[in-house]
Amino acid sequence: AQTVTQSQPEMSVQEAETVTLSCTYDTSESDYYLFWYKQPPSRQMILVIRQEAYKQQNATENRFSVNFQKAAKSFSLKISDSQLGDAAMYFCAYRSAYPKRGSNYKLTFGKGTLLTVNP
Amino acid sequence: EAGVAQSPRYKIIEKRQSVAFWCNPISGHATLYWYQQILGQGPKLLIQFQNNGVVDDSQLPKDRFSAERLKGVDSTLKIQPAKLEDSAVYLCASSFRRPRRPSTDTQYFGPGTRLTVL
Repeated sequence: AQTVTQSQPEMSVQEAETVTLSCTYDTSESDYYLFWYKQPPSRQMILVIRQEAYKQQNATENRFSVNFQKAAKSFSLKISDSQLGDAAMYFCAYRSAYPKRGSNYKLTFGKGTLLTVNP
Repeated sequence: EAGVAQSPRYKIIEKRQSVAFWCNPISGHATLYWYQQILGQGPKLLIQFQNNGVVDDSQLPKDRFSAERLKGVDSTLKIQPAKLEDSAVYLCASSFRRPRRPSTDTQYFGPGTRLTVL
């Protein structure tokens, strides 16, 4: 079974600064997807960024980028020019690309990192 | 495009009582998921539907939890009887699935229902 580990329960950053959230995962599969989801206090989970394991190029979405190290099974999220609205719980998640028969496309989540943005 | 709708947003019940949660997925999304998120943890999948059929309910405590998705659209998750450890946020998510084609299949989440069992 796959596992996702987020070793930083809490992080803080000054507004306009850069912060990196860590995520490691364990899998025996070679093809999969990795996600970062943001959950603000209102609890609506929002997709931030997605990475396909077969792509060597790191995904980027505006101020959000990832550092995907497949051999190390590491998937960190970098937030540049942090804004007050970035304050939220951030979850790293894993999903199989081609689930075995009887399996499914469920997301396996880490425990999350609570990000605080200081003005 | 309307998002995933859930109701109620909050529910407080006594242990051994029953409770039901409702979810309306994004229009056209064939796949529907129910996740349980206990405080301080990431969401954990309880059950997944593909149209109105169950794909995976291996983590659903079937002695007390039940779920249905009639007509492949709305879904209801029920707990009967509730235990203290069922206190959590229950998240519904949906995704668009094209049969027999690999897809990144993004899951879109609803706002969740916060259940408190006293």
